[in-house]
Amino acid sequence: QKEVEQDPGPLSVPEGAIVSLNCTYSNSAFQYFMWYRQYSRKGPELLMYTYSSGNKEDGRFTAQVDKSSKYISLFIRDSQPSDSATYLCAMSRNTGNQFYFGTGTSLTVIP
Amino acid sequence: SAVISQKPSRDICQRGTSLTIQCQVDSQVTMMFWYRQQPGQSLTLIATANQGSEATYESGFVIDKFPISRPNLTFSTLTVSNMSPEDSSIYLCSVDLRRAQYNEQFFGPGTRLTVL
Repeated sequence: QKEVEQDPGPLSVPEGAIVSLNCTYSNSAFQYFMWYRQYSRKGPELLMYTYSSGNKEDGRFTAQVDKSSKYISLFIRDSQPSDSATYLCAMSRNTGNQFYFGTGTSLTVIP
Repeated sequence: SAVISQKPSRDICQRGTSLTIQCQVDSQVTMMFWYRQQPGQSLTLIATANQGSEATYESGFVIDKFPISRPNLTFSTLTVSNMSPEDSSIYLCSVDLRRAQYNEQFFGPGTRLTVL
């Protein structure tokens, strides 16, 4: 079983839609959860970071962690064409530990 | 933040040859990481490179196939040796910067390798 599972998509939505991206994981020791965004021909860049369970909001983005279900989500409100990218979830047991990445979900927001 | 550059950005190579990828960071960092990103697969850590010591390789990756150099605190190279088509992938270097509550990884733009 993979450490982190993520639906690769692709996901295509109209501009203004709410997007939900999800990952599941198997290791209950994970405490740090991150979402990276990767534009075509670029390296991933950190979008959201969450420690343990709960929600975190930053503008149009909300990250949600449910440790009891081993499930994390990223919600994008009022999606824009500039949000078109691949979104990777990542997690680690502790700061400084190895990061485990999902396969990434390819998102296209259609104007 | 950290600004990372990689060379080459892409290359097409013949089977059996080797390619060395360079990674330059705009600040001094203790650890640098090399990842492989294959289509449909997770970003996979190849090795961790500390300046002044041997690189630490993850399961499934060996020094003979992926030799790494780390001559100083801002530079590293990864060589993909005796390449085969299965080595076709994007190779990314990254660094870890300590924030107040977490470590943030910054990635280079990647090197897109195609092996014929």
